[in-house]
Amino acid sequence: GESVGLHLPTLSVQEGDNSIINCAYSNSASDYFIWYKQESGKGPQFIIDIRSNMDKRQGQRVTVLLNKTVKHLSLQIAATQPGDSAVYFCAEAGGTSYGKLTFGQGTILTVHP
Amino acid sequence: EPEVTQTPSHQVTQMGQEVILRCVPISNHLYFYWYRQILGQKVEFLVSFYNNEISEKSEIFDDQFSVERPDGSNFTLKIRSTKLEDSAMYFCASGDRVGGTEAFFGQGTRLTVV
Repeated sequence: GESVGLHLPTLSVQEGDNSIINCAYSNSASDYFIWYKQESGKGPQFIIDIRSNMDKRQGQRVTVLLNKTVKHLSLQIAATQPGDSAVYFCAEAGGTSYGKLTFGQGTILTVHP
Repeated sequence: EPEVTQTPSHQVTQMGQEVILRCVPISNHLYFYWYRQILGQKVEFLVSFYNNEISEKSEIFDDQFSVERPDGSNFTLKIRSTKLEDSAMYFCASGDRVGGTEAFFGQGTRLTVV
């Protein structure tokens, strides 16, 4: 069946450090992946996405890496700031379900000043 | 910046009552979605809506649930007879491309069934 899961439920870093949040997916048919940030009491906020024909995509301070061989996705945040503290979800879509995002469990990122 | 807006922010209802959760998607978007998040759990897909009809729904979206786009701006989720386990955050999302690409989420409605 389909599933998207995260290796680490919590991550604590110091301000200025780089953060890496990991995600595993099991649906080989998935061809589109998104990272969302969710702050307390708010809805998921789009961070960055990547399609399966790419293995890396960069945004502002964020990089997403996709390893299709081992079905692994990661989000790298450079120079992490206290405002980055949130829950981070990976989500996948594709195969026969283009209208549906399947979310992972979430990783809590805490950035200490 | 355009955003998805949801009302109310918090709804308390008695078990067995009907509730309607309202959403105003981003104006030029064509794809609309409802998701829910039970406290402490992951976000779960409920339904997608395009061209005035449901394009996909999950197992959660049973006969107690319905969606409607009554006019050009609103998108509603109705739960006909609420159960305790319907208590969750309900998120509306909209996008301008198929596949939920860059789907923008609203702030959510917290539904509490007592």
